[in-house]
Amino acid sequence: GQSLEQPSEVTAVEGAIVQINCTYQTSGFYGLSWYQQHDGGAPTFLSYNALDGLEETGRFSSFLSRSDSYGYLLLQELQMKDSASYFCAVKGGYQKVTFGTGTKLQVIP
Amino acid sequence: NAGVMQNPRHLVRRRGQEARLRCSPMKGHSHVYWYRQLPEEGLKFMVYLQKENIIDESGMPKERFSAEFPKEGPSILRIQQVVRGDSAAYFCASSPTKGAGDEQFFGPGTRLTVL
Repeated sequence: GQSLEQPSEVTAVEGAIVQINCTYQTSGFYGLSWYQQHDGGAPTFLSYNALDGLEETGRFSSFLSRSDSYGYLLLQELQMKDSASYFCAVKGGYQKVTFGTGTKLQVIP
Repeated sequence: NAGVMQNPRHLVRRRGQEARLRCSPMKGHSHVYWYRQLPEEGLKFMVYLQKENIIDESGMPKERFSAEFPKEGPSILRIQQVVRGDSAAYFCASSPTKGAGDEQFFGPGTRLTVL
């Protein structure tokens, strides 16, 4: 089976940097994705890591260590609009995608 | 290119009625996923379908729930004899290919309320 762990809540100050960690256990592994979901909205894709290392997309970066079954999402220059829930998701065997329970990020002035 | 469409956006049913949720994937996408989300919780995988095939239904409750993705038309998630515990947001997502790493594009969701 597949399971993921991420913190339930994080609070950070506008303009700061925040890191959201995700550890996973899975049978079969293709990659780790991150999604953002605002209250009442649909999840939207942020990033995907299939190989070890850091992927950067604007203010957002995502990191993966396959040997440690660990990844993180890094958000820089935080803005109020970044307040949302962030989900890590693992694509494992048979292309099944399992989502973590989500980290609620609150950005404060 | 329209995104993933789901309808209805909101659905109210009384206990014992049937709920039918529809999902039209993005044009060119042949893979559809259904997820359920309870308030303040994560997305729970329910079923993964390709055209006319159920690939993985390990997240579907054994009774009352069924899904299909016919050759023509939208994917349907059907819940028979709904109970209050079925109240949730149901999201559909689609992706273009089977390859690893494909982004899933989510629809706006159907909010089901069972009275």
